[in-house]
Amino acid sequence: QVQLVESGGGVVQPGGSLRLSCAASGFTFSNYGIHWVRQAPGKGLEWVAFIRYDGSNKYYTDSVKGRFTISRDNSKNTLYLQMNSLSAEDTAVYYCAKLERRAYYFDYWGQGTLVTVSS
Amino acid sequence: QSALTQPASVSGSPGQSITISCTGTSSDVGAYNYVSWYQHHPGKAPKLIIYDVSKRPSGVSNRFSGSKSGNTASLTISGLQAEDEADYYCCSYAGSSSWVFGGGTKLTVL
Repeated sequence: QVQLVESGGGVVQPGGSLRLSCAASGFTFSNYGIHWVRQAPGKGLEWVAFIRYDGSNKYYTDSVKGRFTISRDNSKNTLYLQMNSLSAEDTAVYYCAKLERRAYYFDYWGQGTLVTVSS
Repeated sequence: QSALTQPASVSGSPGQSITISCTGTSSDVGAYNYVSWYQHHPGKAPKLIIYDVSKRPSGVSNRFSGSKSGNTASLTISGLQAEDEADYYCCSYAGSSSWVFGGGTKLTVL
């Protein structure tokens, strides 16, 4: 069955960096685009970033452009999110979510990893 | 992109029906038939329950239905059950490989 398992969350100081990972299994990872979506405490879901199946194109929400980088290693079935210049506003649970092929919805999600930006 | 607008909370008794609205703009909900809905029990992975406005994934109860009119999409849950108590989020494709979510609606089954 499809599994997405996020890791790498933790506590980081403002201005610091963190790299999240999302390990995928149960499907042909290299055939699918994958997203990062986050949820700040007490807030709704927020789309963060998207990478196409082959890593050829990457897209970001405005608030993270220039600070976050989405990438993937199809040989390791793993998605990454490099987060730099972190601020309190980036505190959230970060989810990876699989995009169905030729579609515009997320058919599988991970359980998330918590990132806390605090001094 | 601004978040889609959902009511913060709705409630209903077992067996009743409820509807959750999701209002966007002519650049997202109104522009594309790519609205999806997700059920989220806190601490768990969100679950897809409706895609492409009104389609149900395999395995999702037919008590869940979706629709859209203009810039507003809606999720209806009929025959409410206790296990339906969760947070519900709408999402719309917004063009240029970007997506926008609603603020979420907490459903309470009385």
